[in-house]
Amino acid sequence: SQKIEQNSEALNIQEGKTATLTCNYTNYSPAYLQWYRQDPGRGPVFLLLIRENEKEKRKERLKVTFDTTLKQSLFHITASQPADSATYLCALASPNSGYALNFGKGTSLLVTP
Amino acid sequence: KAGVTQTPRYLIKTRGQQVTLSCSPISGHRSVSWYQQTPGQGLQFLFEYFSETQRNKGNFPGRFSGRQFSNSRSEMNVSTLELGDSALYLCASSLAGTGEIYGYTFGSGTRLTVV
Repeated sequence: SQKIEQNSEALNIQEGKTATLTCNYTNYSPAYLQWYRQDPGRGPVFLLLIRENEKEKRKERLKVTFDTTLKQSLFHITASQPADSATYLCALASPNSGYALNFGKGTSLLVTP
Repeated sequence: KAGVTQTPRYLIKTRGQQVTLSCSPISGHRSVSWYQQTPGQGLQFLFEYFSETQRNKGNFPGRFSGRQFSNSRSEMNVSTLELGDSALYLCASSLAGTGEIYGYTFGSGTRLTVV
């Protein structure tokens, strides 16, 4: 069955460092992958989208890579700040799933001053 | 511009009752999706509508239904509520039409508690 795995353990890093979050998937051939941020009690907020034919995407301090051979996406936040503390979700979609997103369970990031 | 608006924010219902949740998408967004979020299962896709047509449905029982109106506003209904239906229900809208894919804008959700 299709599976999307994100590190369930919280990631604690110091302010100013680069945070790297991982999203691995199996039994899946996604056409594109998205990353979202979710704060407690709020809906997810869209951050970045990367397509299967793209290796890397950047937006300000954020960078996403997509390796369809390794079946893995890495999400980087450079110069992290305490305000970056949140849960980060990856979501995949394939042509077979239409416009439905299949979400990982998210990784909690805590950035300490 | 206004974001995705979901009403109500909180709801408490009794087992066996039914509930209707409402979602107003961002103006111009014709695709509306619904998701259920629970601590154990995470975010799970319920269904997606585009121009009043359901294009995709997740693996949920028939008690979960939805519809979309001509102004793109959407409602979802859950009948014969069960304790396990307690969750945060999220609505998301997108420019997604036919072909191109975009990010989704989520509402703040409706927190449903079934007692």
